[in-house]
Amino acid sequence: NAGVTQTPKFQVLKTGQSMTLQCAQDMNHEYMSWYRQDPGMGLRLIHYSVGAGITDQGEVPNGYNVSRSTTEDFPLRLLSAAPSQTSVYFCASGETGRSGNTIYFGEGSWLTVV
Amino acid sequence: AQSVTQLDSHVSVSEGTPVLLRCNYSSSYSPSLFWYVQHPNKGLQLLLKYTSAATLVKGINGFEAEFKKSETSFHLTKPSAHMSDAAEYFCVVSDRGTGRRALTFGSGTRLQVQP
Repeated sequence: NAGVTQTPKFQVLKTGQSMTLQCAQDMNHEYMSWYRQDPGMGLRLIHYSVGAGITDQGEVPNGYNVSRSTTEDFPLRLLSAAPSQTSVYFCASGETGRSGNTIYFGEGSWLTVV
Repeated sequence: AQSVTQLDSHVSVSEGTPVLLRCNYSSSYSPSLFWYVQHPNKGLQLLLKYTSAATLVKGINGFEAEFKKSETSFHLTKPSAHMSDAAEYFCVVSDRGTGRRALTFGSGTRLQVQP
């Protein structure tokens, strides 16, 4: 049972480069989301989706794009990487995203922008 | 609006002694509350959750938490710490009135367990 799978696990980018963090889940969950984790700040929501074709912004969406063409996949795109985007990124999914539903997390993607 | 405050950034205990990790929340509606654990270089694992059923919630690995509405608290406890409990713990609130269906995380408490 794979759960939530993120790739790559580690990535170093130069300022201005673009890249895509991949996220896939095999639990047929409607809800998927991306968080970033920075020291002393917990996790902050970047973007989320409540189903294929539906996405919305979270708390810190600037500099990131998402799309949801299938139920399984929810890629996060960095359009022009900046050092401020150095962080650990977590993809998560849940049955519906409604309050009380358990959210399952991937193992994280460590991104460094130099 | 919802928010979470974890009152201690670091907690150190000796193996075999009780663990208390404190969490206060703010929510405009009836909240759901969670505790997640994160071991080094790993993702987050759900320890337990409260969703308006019993106020004392039991989770995995001997952890439990009590929802106290009057104190707006959801403290995490364990009677006897084990070395494998050393990790970072996050208190999380999900507000039923939140259109974004988002989780709001506390800043985390790092638990250190001394032999």
